[in-house]
Amino acid sequence: EVQLVESGGGLVQPGGSLRLSCVASGFTFSSYEMIWVRQAPGKGLEWVSYISNGGGTISYADSVEGRFTISRDNAENSLYLQMNSLRAEDTAIYYCARTLTARFDFWGQGTLVTVSS
Amino acid sequence: QSALTQPASVSGSPGQSITISCTGTSSDVGGYNYVSWYQQHPDKAPKLIIYDVSNRPSGVSNRFSGSKSGNTASLTISGLQAEDEADYYCSSYTRRDTPLYVFGTGTKVTVL
Repeated sequence: EVQLVESGGGLVQPGGSLRLSCVASGFTFSSYEMIWVRQAPGKGLEWVSYISNGGGTISYADSVEGRFTISRDNAENSLYLQMNSLRAEDTAIYYCARTLTARFDFWGQGTLVTVSS
Repeated sequence: QSALTQPASVSGSPGQSITISCTGTSSDVGGYNYVSWYQQHPDKAPKLIIYDVSNRPSGVSNRFSGSKSGNTASLTISGLQAEDEADYYCSSYTRRDTPLYVFGTGTKVTVL
């Protein structure tokens, strides 16, 4: 059974940092692209970042470029999102999702990030 | 990276058909056959229901169908059921030097 489990969310002050993790199981992690998507409270989905299966191709939404860093460890079946210089508008549930030819076919349950003083 | 445009809400009675539009540009929806649709129930993670414009993943009801014309994609739900009440989001592939993705603004479907 495919599973994606996010962790690392929490309360952080503006300007602070957090590192999110997403542990995958039930499939060959190294064969799949992965993304992070976020959803602010009561709002819609926003694509955040993409990483290719080998980690050689990475992209970011303009809203997080230069502040967030996506990475993966295929040996550990893990995806990461390092978030620096956090702002109030980064408050959201962050989901990781498995990506196959531009479709996001499995999603984790999400981890909540709250940026507030 | 502007969000794709969807109607905020669509409603219908049980058994009816409804259609949700998703309008982008020639750089995203119109430029690639990589439009997908997601259903999200309250406090749940999104679920893929249509990919590559009109394909259904295994296990998704054939009451869901997708299409595209120019820069606008559409999701049709036929034989509307109470369990279809949820938020629906489209998504499209796009790119600059690297793959990028964009979601729609989301549509709340209400079953009357």
